[in-house]
Amino acid sequence: GAGVSQSPSNKVTEKGKDVELRCDPISGHTALYWYRQSLGQGLEFLIYFQGNSAPDKSGLPSDRFSAERTGGSVSTLTIQRTQQEDSAVYLCASSSFTGGDADTQYFGPGTRLTVL
Amino acid sequence: AQSVTQLDSHVSVSEGTPVLLRCNYSSSYSPSLFWYVQHPNKGLQLLLKYTSAATLVKGINGFEAEFKKSETSFHLTKPSAHMSDAAEYFCVVSDRVNTGFQKLVFGTGTRLLVSP
Repeated sequence: GAGVSQSPSNKVTEKGKDVELRCDPISGHTALYWYRQSLGQGLEFLIYFQGNSAPDKSGLPSDRFSAERTGGSVSTLTIQRTQQEDSAVYLCASSSFTGGDADTQYFGPGTRLTVL
Repeated sequence: AQSVTQLDSHVSVSEGTPVLLRCNYSSSYSPSLFWYVQHPNKGLQLLLKYTSAATLVKGINGFEAEFKKSETSFHLTKPSAHMSDAAEYFCVVSDRVNTGFQKLVFGTGTRLLVSP
């Protein structure tokens, strides 16, 4: 079946602009995660959604970052007033939450964000 | 909190020779451990995972890893390297934050270089 998809694959924006990054998880996966991969910081957890529960936002670096998940499926990560340090690859992952494969997260190809 | 340490930032091998990528973990309980691979400009792909069923775990593309509790290690090996194995490899531990939430904690990565 189809894997996790993300769009756009690349995004170039100017400092101060808002951006939206989209993630479409594997069909049937109820858990969805956002990570950030940057040169200086490696791979960092940002936010986690599980079903209709309140998301775990403990990894969001500032209040300029927010995310939502509509209908328990597609998720959008929004970065407001982008800064140059926001430049990174943003990765989305999903997992089934139940069953023997519950702890395995499957990753999308990522969105490369460049803030000029 | 869980953590992983990848002991080598770069490993260089010749095609056809064995591969060893080293990883040590820190965990207060029996962890779930993973190896992911990332090819240039691609997303993360799961190679294999350990979840206490068997200490020797076989993954895709001929890779395997052995969980050694006494050494807190989870090294990745492959008997014979192929040019297509050149990529970045991440050792990952799963940190269960609360019921059902598996936050992945990534190592800093090991870049595998394969020469002809």
